[in-house]
Formats: sequence, structure tokens, C-alpha cells
Amino acid sequence: RKEVEQDPGPFNVPEGATVAFNCTYSNSASQSFFWYRQDCRKEPKLLMSVYSSGNEDGRFTAQLNRASQYISLLIRDSKLSDSATYLCVVGGAQKLVFGQGTRLTINP
Amino acid sequence: DAGITQSPRHKVTETGTPVTLRCHQTENHRYMYWYRQDPGHGLRLIHYSYGVKDTDKGEVSDGYSVSRSKTEDFLLTLESATSSQTSVYFCAISERDARATQYFGPGTRLLVL
Repeated sequence: RKEVEQDPGPFNVPEGATVAFNCTYSNSASQSFFWYRQDCRKEPKLLMSVYSSGNEDGRFTAQLNRASQYISLLIRDSKLSDSATYLCVVGGAQKLVFGQGTRLTINP
Repeated sequence: DAGITQSPRHKVTETGTPVTLRCHQTENHRYMYWYRQDPGHGLRLIHYSYGVKDTDKGEVSDGYSVSRSKTEDFLLTLESATSSQTSVYFCAISERDARATQYFGPGTRLLVL
């Protein structure tokens, strides 16, 4: 079983739609959680950290469920510029563990 | 954006030749990392450094060595490149420990023929 698992997609949604990504992790001792986005042929960039109480940054909302070892990302009112691959990232004992990513395409 | 550069940005080399990739940061962060990214595998940690001359192995370290003689520079060496090392290599930095937010360089695309 992979340490961090994501649905690889691709997700194709129309502009303005709401889209949700899920991620599960296997290490119950994980202490830090993030969502990164990666554009085609570019480096990953931090989208947002994920806190236990959940957090929001504009159109983006992240949730953490420690009991179920589950992280989610919700994007509201999606824009064409949101097209990217979204990486779920979990802080393990000595390192960050990256999911393989979920590819999202927003269609006009 | 964090001040991280990687060189070269693209490289084509032949099997059996040595290759060195350089990561340079201007943020004075203590931790530096080398990852490779391949389709179907995501980002995998090769080696990391937690200070000058302090390095440790990641999950895919075979065939790679690293050195860090200055805070700002972290070198990745493929002693004898193989076709399986064709990949995109990313350097990353973090201020605190390895579980903290990491910031990535632009990547190096390496093709081993």
C-alpha cells in the first residue's frame, strides 16, 4: 500500500464548477499536511497547508480527518488557471511523502 | 518565489558518464533535498542534507551521491549514469525539519542515452 494515495484523474470540469479531491495516508503518526500544485513541466508549488480544524484560502478549502486518515481539497468557482496537477503531501517521520497527484483540467 | 536555482536545466548524456547537478539557494535554509519525478511514481526522495557536510539517504539513493560544502549549494552526482536515471530532478529547501514546507527549484531534465 502506498503511503499517500490519490485518485490520479484526470478530472475534466467546466469553468465555474466546484471540484473536490481526496487523499488518504497510511501513517497515523503523520504531523504535517499540504496541498501542492504542479503545472505542466514546472516545479511543485505550495498551494496551502492543511490544519486539523480545516482552513480556507479564497476559493480553496482544505480539510483533515485524522481518524480516517483522509485529506480533502475543495475548489469553488473553478477558473481556467486552476488547471494543474494537485499533489497531496504528508509529513512522515523523517520526510515529506508525496502522492502521485490528481490532474485537473478546467474547460471553458 | 524562494531563491532556488538549478543547473543545468537540461542535459543529455551517455550511459556510463558521470553527471553532476547543482542546486543553489539564497534563502539560507538549513535543509536541502534532491528528488526525482517519474510518471507513475510521483516525487521520490534521493538524498537530503540537514546542514553543511550532513547528508542522509532517501528512498531511491542507489547510484547517487551528494555533497554539501556550503549552506547555499547541494550537489547531486550520478557516478556512472544509466538509462534508468533518465528523469526530472528537483531540488527543494526547507527552513526547519524535513516535515516542514518545502520550496522547489525549477528542475533539471536529464536524458541518459
